[in-house]
Amino acid sequence: ETGVTQSPTHLIKTRGQQVTLRCSSQSGHNTVSWYQQALGQGPQFIFQYYREEENGRGNFPPRFSGLQFPNYSSELNVNALELDDSALYLCASSFSRLASGSADTQYFGPGTRLTVL
Amino acid sequence: AQSVTQPDIHITVSEGASLELRCNYSYGATPYLFWYVQSPGQGLQLLLKYFSGDTLVQGIKGFEAEFKRSQSSFNLRKPSVHWSDAAEYFCAVGAEGSQGNLIFGKGTKLSVKP
Repeated sequence: ETGVTQSPTHLIKTRGQQVTLRCSSQSGHNTVSWYQQALGQGPQFIFQYYREEENGRGNFPPRFSGLQFPNYSSELNVNALELDDSALYLCASSFSRLASGSADTQYFGPGTRLTVL
Repeated sequence: AQSVTQPDIHITVSEGASLELRCNYSYGATPYLFWYVQSPGQGLQLLLKYFSGDTLVQGIKGFEAEFKRSQSSFNLRKPSVHWSDAAEYFCAVGAEGSQGNLIFGKGTKLSVKP
C-alpha cells in the first residue's frame, strides 16, 4: 500500500509569484484535504476535494485554489504569494462515503516546505 | 466557536517515566477525536482516533487516550516513555459532515531526558 506523497519537498519563491504543490493520495482513497502549518502552529484547514470538486473550505482567500484529478491526486495553487504564505503545506487523503464529506481518518503526507522571500 | 486547546506547550519527561498530554475541545456536534505525532520537518502520523464506543482507545507505539465527554477532554497517555517518543503531538477534532475540516490544537512538544 502506497502512502500519501507530496512534491516538491522544498520550494523557495518570491513575493508575487505563483506556486503549484502536488499530492498523490493513498491507494483506495477518494478525498484529499490540504492544510497550512505555520511555524510553531497546528495545521489549518485550507480545503477538501471530493470527486474532483471542492467540498469544503477554510478561512483562506480565493488566491488559494486547487484541483483533484480522476486518479484522486491533487494540486494546490497559490497566486500572488505573500510573505505570510511561508509554511509547511500538508496534504491528507481519506476515503469518504458521503458527498457531504466527513472527518474519516485522514492520512498525511510529509509536506512541502514553502519559503516566500 | 470550535476549538482545540492543548494547555502544555512543552513537556519534558525522563525516559521510562509515564506521560500524559492534555487536550480539551469545544465542538458543537458529536466529535471525532484524533492524536497525531510529528517529528521535526515531517508530516503527521496518526497515533489513535475515537469515533464512538469504548471511551478508552488504544493506538500505535503503546499510546492510549481516554474520551471524557463531561470534561470535553481527550488526553493522551503512555505508561513508559522512550527516547524515540520525542516529537510534537497534536490533538484534532472533526465530525461527520464537517467536510473534512479537522481542527487542530497548537501542539505539545515532548522532550525526553535520558
